[in-house]
Amino acid sequence: DAEITQSPRHKITETGRQVTLACHQTWNHNNMFWYRQDLGHGLRLIHYSYGVQDTNKGEVSDGYSVSRSNTEDLPLTLESAASSQTSVYFCASSETQGKDTQYFGPGTRLTVL
Amino acid sequence: AQSVTQPDIHITVSEGASLELRCNYSYGATPYLFWYVQSPGQGLQLLLKYFSGDTLVQGIKGFEAEFKRSQSSFNLRKPSVHWSDAAEYFCAVGAVGAGNMLTFGGGTRLMVKP
Repeated sequence: DAEITQSPRHKITETGRQVTLACHQTWNHNNMFWYRQDLGHGLRLIHYSYGVQDTNKGEVSDGYSVSRSNTEDLPLTLESAASSQTSVYFCASSETQGKDTQYFGPGTRLTVL
Repeated sequence: AQSVTQPDIHITVSEGASLELRCNYSYGATPYLFWYVQSPGQGLQLLLKYFSGDTLVQGIKGFEAEFKRSQSSFNLRKPSVHWSDAAEYFCAVGAVGAGNMLTFGGGTRLMVKP
């Protein structure tokens, strides 16, 4: 069955370190998204991609970057981790633009000390 | 820009009781509307969605939602809650022409009393 996976599921890092969170989907979806989830804020969009070599900034993109070198993967990089980036991160994918359902991964809990 | 408000942060209901979770959105045209459920430690699962047509939408696990344009609402309902429905519920709005980007509400945590 097609799925979307994230790794690691849990990570603890230190302020100032570079961190990369992996997202891999086997749906062959063009669209991929990264969100962060914080209490009281629901999910907020960090970056998104509509296809290979395409990346776009979302609502809360400062301090994050993504790259899309193939259809299956959209890694999220925190260039210099900050305590404010302690959060749960979700990756999602959808088939096309418009009204298609987004399918979510299980999430990565990141703690920045 | 679109926005979503879920006025109730926490709701507790007894098992077997009916449930209604509120969702209000702000958007200048007809939106796409979604309800997702998140069980503890899990990702989000789609319950139902509204794009157009019949304003009463049926979803999985016995849930339904009604789109009311005049009230800018998309409330989620279930006639009889089961203990397994305890979870966090998110309403989301997608804008036409905005490339499938979703804006989420803050979520409502549902607790079910035995």
